[in-house]
Amino acid sequence: EDQVTQSPEALRLQEGESSSLNCSYTVSGLRGLFWYRQDPGKGPEFLFTLYSAGEEKEKERLKATLTKKESFLHITAPKPEDSATYLCAAPLAGANSKLTFGKGITLSVRP
Amino acid sequence: KAGVTQTPRYLIKTRGQQVTLSCSPISGHRSVSWYQQTPGQGLQFLFEYFSETQRNKGNFPGRFSGRQFSNSRSEMNVSTLELGDSALYLCASSLEGITYEQYFGPGTRLTVT
Repeated sequence: EDQVTQSPEALRLQEGESSSLNCSYTVSGLRGLFWYRQDPGKGPEFLFTLYSAGEEKEKERLKATLTKKESFLHITAPKPEDSATYLCAAPLAGANSKLTFGKGITLSVRP
Repeated sequence: KAGVTQTPRYLIKTRGQQVTLSCSPISGHRSVSWYQQTPGQGLQFLFEYFSETQRNKGNFPGRFSGRQFSNSRSEMNVSTLELGDSALYLCASSLEGITYEQYFGPGTRLTVT
């Protein structure tokens, strides 16, 4: 069954402590892997789209990478303002496609 | 450019009633998708509309329906509300569809009592 799984569920980091968030997917014929950031009480904010294995994209302290089975969101020297829930999503294959989101990773960065 | 707007932002309804939520996409975006977000299930895809046609649909009962108008604005309707329908309903717009980056609105918080 096609699905998107994120781990860990929650991550607490000290300011400046780099880490990676994992998104595993089992989607045949991947048509994009998306990363979003969601702050409490707000809608998700688009971060990155990756389409093929080996692709990487960067934005400030964030870098997203994609392999054939996983995507990683690397956070370098995080700051407290990076605290949020990070969601990954992929459209499932098939005539009636639907965008499936992982449960999200809640990141807390302590000053 | 104005972002995605959703109205109302908060809504309290009684079980058995129906509700209509509205979404105005970013200008020029033809695809509008709707999602339900709950603490237990996370973000779940309801359906996508493109050029006034439902193009994709998630695994929700027929009580959940939607439509899109010629100006790309969209509405979502939930009939015979149940307590479990309490959630944050999010609308997202995209230029071409769910395989492209989507921009989300702030959501409508629906509470069913």
